[in-house]
Amino acid sequence: QITLKESGPTLVKPTQTLTLTCTFSGFSLSTSGVGVGWIRQPPGKALEWLALIYWDDDKRYSPSLKSRLTITKDTSKNQVVLTMTNMDPVDTATYYCAQDPGGYFDYWGQGTLVTVSS
Amino acid sequence: DIQMTQSPSTLSASVGDRVTITCRASQSISSWLAWYQQKPGKAPKLLIYKASSLESGVPSRFSGSGSGTEFTLTISSLQPDDFATYYCQQYNSYGLTFGGGTKVEIK
Repeated sequence: QITLKESGPTLVKPTQTLTLTCTFSGFSLSTSGVGVGWIRQPPGKALEWLALIYWDDDKRYSPSLKSRLTITKDTSKNQVVLTMTNMDPVDTATYYCAQDPGGYFDYWGQGTLVTVSS
Repeated sequence: DIQMTQSPSTLSASVGDRVTITCRASQSISSWLAWYQQKPGKAPKLLIYKASSLESGVPSRFSGSGSGTEFTLTISSLQPDDFATYYCQQYNSYGLTFGGGTKVEIK
């Protein structure tokens, strides 16, 4: 059974750096072709893809957010970490991690709401 | 980025109706398109990948078609559990992009 779960702060201040951890089970990020991605959704709005990391450590970022994002993996811990710098109130959203078998997302975490406010 | 445009943004339908949602890409994405269903407060659920491949466990009343720039998601007979918001997503190229969503409401 594949599960993913996001963890991190629920409230961050403007200009701070957000660090989110995705802890997963039921698959390995050392398996060829497998990736884990981050997607966010502001309240009442559409989904927005942020970043992806693959089994071979290939990393992909949203062009509009690339300068603010870093994605890493710890295969031994079954974790993927996303950091986003210089947080702003417009970054308030539910952040999801999800497994990527080939560009799309078949298993999702429950999401974690991050509010950016002073 | 490839822009994905869904229509309509909202759709009112009754149980038993045949429902069609359209997704258009700003350039050709071959068949690299996925569809998701999302209910309030829940994570999206994968329905269709590669434009027309049904994800395991998804009811056969859902189907996808299209290639290039125009795609459709069809629900052959709308069920009470199908009232939700639906998103398309292209994975032809990075950055991956989602459509703006189509909310299917009860008529």
